Amino acid sequence: GAGVSQSPSNKVTEKGKDVELRCDPISGHTALYWYRQSLGQGLEFLIYFQGNSAPDKSGLPSDRFSAERTGGSVSTLTIQRTQQEDSAVYLCASSYTSGGSYEQYFGPGTRLTVT
Amino acid sequence: QQQVKQSPQSLIVQKGGISIINCAYENTAFDYFPWYQQFPGKGPALLIAIRPDVSEKKEGRFTISFNKSAKQFSLHIMDSQPGDSATYFCAASKGRGSTLGRLYFGRGTQLTVWP
Repeated sequence: GAGVSQSPSNKVTEKGKDVELRCDPISGHTALYWYRQSLGQGLEFLIYFQGNSAPDKSGLPSDRFSAERTGGSVSTLTIQRTQQEDSAVYLCASSYTSGGSYEQYFGPGTRLTVT
Repeated sequence: QQQVKQSPQSLIVQKGGISIINCAYENTAFDYFPWYQQFPGKGPALLIAIRPDVSEKKEGRFTISFNKSAKQFSLHIMDSQPGDSATYFCAASKGRGSTLGRLYFGRGTQLTVWP
């Protein structure tokens, strides 16, 4: 079956612009996670969705970052007024939350470059 | 504060040798410990995972050893192959019974297997 997909695969934007990153989880997965991977910080958690609600958004680095999930499926991560330090690979993962299976499966990521 | 500490940062092994990567954690609430393998330009792929009620889990050439009292776990790759050359991440999560929460990742180990 299809895995987690993310779009775009690469995004170059100018400092100060807003960007939207999209994640399509595996069908039937109710949990969705966003992480960020950068050279200096490794893999960092950003936000977690269970269905359409976000019980844990503690990893969002500032109020410029927001995310939403609609229909219990697709999620969008929005970064407003981008800064150079936002440059990283943004990864999305999804998982089941019942039936004893807790594995998180990752998408290929979106590489964001802020110039 | 790094909740999961991983070593070594890099590892070079000859083909056919054993690769060993170690991780340590402090939070006793963690109850799920996965290992991910990541190739350049790809998202992390779940390799193998363990829960603390067992001390070892083996899948093919990959084995996790878990020491609950020492709060340590390790990945052993037997008969290492050049195709195993990748970055390996250990991780930990908490939340038994229902939704598995965020993953706390180690910093990663870059494994190179020489032919």
